Amino acid sequence: AQTVTQSQPEMSVQEAETVTLSCTYDTSESDYYLFWYKQPPSRQMILVIRQEAYKQQNATENRFSVNFQKAAKSFSLKISDSQLGDAAMYFCAYNRYRDDKIIFGKGTRLHILP
Amino acid sequence: DAGVIQSPRHEVTEMGQEVTLRCKPISGHNSLFWYRQTMMRGLELLIYFNNNVPIDDSGMPEDRFSAKMPNASFSTLKIQPSEPRDSAVYFCASSPLAGRETQYFGPGTRLLVL
Repeated sequence: AQTVTQSQPEMSVQEAETVTLSCTYDTSESDYYLFWYKQPPSRQMILVIRQEAYKQQNATENRFSVNFQKAAKSFSLKISDSQLGDAAMYFCAYNRYRDDKIIFGKGTRLHILP
Repeated sequence: DAGVIQSPRHEVTEMGQEVTLRCKPISGHNSLFWYRQTMMRGLELLIYFNNNVPIDDSGMPEDRFSAKMPNASFSTLKIQPSEPRDSAVYFCASSPLAGRETQYFGPGTRLLVL
């Protein structure tokens, strides 16, 4: 069965600094999608970034980028120039291609220190 | 374009009462998902629909939970009778095509059963 593991329950970073959130997953599939979702205090789940497994190039979205290591089954999220508004719970998620279900990790709570 | 709409945003009820949560997916999306989020169990998929048809309800905790999708623009999640352990945030999400596209989440309904 597929699993998603986020080994860091909480992290803190100084404003304007860079932080990396870790995520590993377990699958025997070759085609799948990986996501990072952000959940701020408002509780809204917001898509941050998405990566297709067949793409070797790491996805980027403004200050957010990923380091996708398919062989290692690792999918970390890097946030550059951290801002106070980045404070949230971040969920890593996996979706097998053509499968309806998304599997979420337990989340990492990110604190931004002013 | 409006996102996923959920109502009510907050619900407080007494044990034994019936609770109905509502969701309007993004227009044109063919898949709809109901999730429950608690501190203890994280984000759990309860049930999902493709083209208004329930595909997998294995995540529904008990017979007290039921979900319907009478048309492409509306779904309900009902709890009858409600219990204190049902207190959680319930999310609805929709996707253009499950398994190939991103899921977009609604703002959630925070349910408190006293």
